[in-house]
Amino acid sequence: DADVTQTPRNRITKTGKRIMLECSQTKGHDRMYWYRQDPGLGLRLIYYSFDVKDINKGEISDGYSVSRQAQAKFSLSLESAIPNQTALYFCATSDSRERSYEQYFGPGTRLTVT
Amino acid sequence: RKEVEQDPGPFNVPEGATVAFNCTYSNSASQSFFWYRQDCRKEPKLLMSVYSSGNEDGRFTAQLNRASQYISLLIRDSKLSDSATYLCVVNDFWGKFQFGAGTQVVVTP
Repeated sequence: DADVTQTPRNRITKTGKRIMLECSQTKGHDRMYWYRQDPGLGLRLIYYSFDVKDINKGEISDGYSVSRQAQAKFSLSLESAIPNQTALYFCATSDSRERSYEQYFGPGTRLTVT
Repeated sequence: RKEVEQDPGPFNVPEGATVAFNCTYSNSASQSFFWYRQDCRKEPKLLMSVYSSGNEDGRFTAQLNRASQYISLLIRDSKLSDSATYLCVVNDFWGKFQFGAGTQVVVTP
């Protein structure tokens, strides 16, 4: 089983709809991240959380919100989806105790807003 | 200006040849440096960390130049399976990661 899972894997939604992307991990990591990837722009950080009570905005948080329901779960919400939020979304985890600082990514959610 | 910049390529490399490319970063306080590999819009995976003294992992060699603020990746004896996009990643003191847009490498038979 994958250590970092994302649901749904693909989603098509209409402008103005509220949607939630979910991320779960079994790695026991304390840190979790949400990124979006657009062609030519690389991964950009939306929100990150260093523990359950810690939520921080990334570079492109406008139009998004998050919830860290438990150490293992980190959800991303689009309150009112718009077409320029069409992108590939990745959740990632890391362990603050690991010297390597490696991030482990989920398989991604491909979101299309029409 | 982007915090982490990479040549997008593609670098077209004959099988068995050597290819090298760089990544520049703008934050002089950056703490940790990495190369990730991403295949065809799949999730990125860590290829190797980059240490101050440079480091090698099989056919891959990474270098860090703090004075000029760049890191490099060299791939020797390229294999068809090395075709991918290579992402440069920089970690700041606060534990946030900045990603470059990636360098595409295409290894041809």
